[in-house]
Amino acid sequence: EAAVTQSPRNKVTVTGGNVTLSCRQTNSHNYMYWYRQDTGHGLRLIHYSYGAGNLQIGDVPDGYKATRTTQEDFFLLLELASPSQTSLYFCASRDTQTGREQYFGPGTRLTVL
Amino acid sequence: GQQVQQSPSSLVLQEGENAELQCNFSSTATQLQWFYQSPGGSLVSLLSNPSGTKHTGRLTSTTVTKERRSSLHISSSQTTDSGTYLCAIDISGSFNKLTFGAGTRLAVCP
Repeated sequence: EAAVTQSPRNKVTVTGGNVTLSCRQTNSHNYMYWYRQDTGHGLRLIHYSYGAGNLQIGDVPDGYKATRTTQEDFFLLLELASPSQTSLYFCASRDTQTGREQYFGPGTRLTVL
Repeated sequence: GQQVQQSPSSLVLQEGENAELQCNFSSTATQLQWFYQSPGGSLVSLLSNPSGTKHTGRLTSTTVTKERRSSLHISSSQTTDSGTYLCAIDISGSFNKLTFGAGTRLAVCP
């Protein structure tokens, strides 16, 4: 099974702060995704990418940037964090050559004070 | 309206009872995945089942694509089954994006 790791696992910042969430997958999957999860909602897609240098807009992109630097690494950037971005963030990956399933990381809990 | 609706929103069982979770969706889905989310938040893929019936362990998923619904049956529930079960579908047609339901929260009591 795919290995997807995220760091940090927990982060606290203040309003207006600059935050970078990191995701790495070690199986050379081509697609990677960033989701957020809030109470009462399922996961919602922020951004995704199908390869190094590529970025696709998801369903809730406002206030977020992302960058895919390599096949393995996908970063989510919050340049001016707001309390509304307090959430549980998940990264996922998928290999379009071998299957349709997405594999998820353990999540990063972000609190913006 | 919501594209993926799950029911019930919560469920309480006695250990050993069976559970039936429902997922209804408003668009044609080319992919459907069931996930388990632990009380601590970690997410695990249970089954990928865009059509037909699939089994794994005590879990059975049945998806009727033309009726836009899927079910997850948990047999002989255990306390360790407690958590949230999420249904997610791909309506993009290109297997790129998953749209999630809000989940069913299951509590299994000893």
